[in-house]
Amino acid sequence: AQSVTQLDSHVSVSEGTPVLLRCNYSSSYSPSLFWYVQHPNKGLQLLLKYTSAATLVKGINGFEAEFKKSETSFHLTKPSAHMSDAAEYFCVVSDWMDSSYKLIFGSGTRLLVRP
Amino acid sequence: DTGVSQDPRHKITKRGQNVTFRCDPISEHNRLYWYRQTLGQGPEFLTYFQNEAQLEKSRLLSDRFSAERPKGSFSTLEIQRTEQGDSAMYLCASSFSEDVRYGYTFGSGTRLTVV
Repeated sequence: AQSVTQLDSHVSVSEGTPVLLRCNYSSSYSPSLFWYVQHPNKGLQLLLKYTSAATLVKGINGFEAEFKKSETSFHLTKPSAHMSDAAEYFCVVSDWMDSSYKLIFGSGTRLLVRP
Repeated sequence: DTGVSQDPRHKITKRGQNVTFRCDPISEHNRLYWYRQTLGQGPEFLTYFQNEAQLEKSRLLSDRFSAERPKGSFSTLEIQRTEQGDSAMYLCASSFSEDVRYGYTFGSGTRLTVV
């Protein structure tokens, strides 16, 4: 079975500085990978997805992620953090389990943005 | 259509009571998923439907849990004889077909507190 590891449970940055949220996955084949964001008391919103096309994926709100097969990583970045980026971020991998594809979530990284 | 809707947003119940949650997916989506998210964790798969057929249930889903999607549109998740360990956010998601590469659309969730 595939799995995903988010290396930091909390990341704190100052407004206007770069954001890096780290994610590693285990995979026996080419996976599909996603980043979702969850604001307090809100549902999960898809930020971006990798589905075996370009390895650098651009998402909404200025976020992007790079698929690196050799490192089995899919880190999320943003050049300049905004206060509104404060939220929980989930790295997600698709997995073929029990006769169907499912999304498998990491444990999440809480992003704090300081003024 | 404004996305996936879940009702209620919050539910507080006494231990031993039964509760039922409702999910209305995006109308053209034929797949519907239920996930559970406990504090500090990523969402975990519970069950999914293709149209009205429940195709799979996770081992996390005890006999006290039952889900239905009677007409292939909205779905209900019922928990009987609730326990404190059932306290969590219950998330519903929908997708069109089994092609998970496009991700799922999630609702805002129902937060259950068992006291």
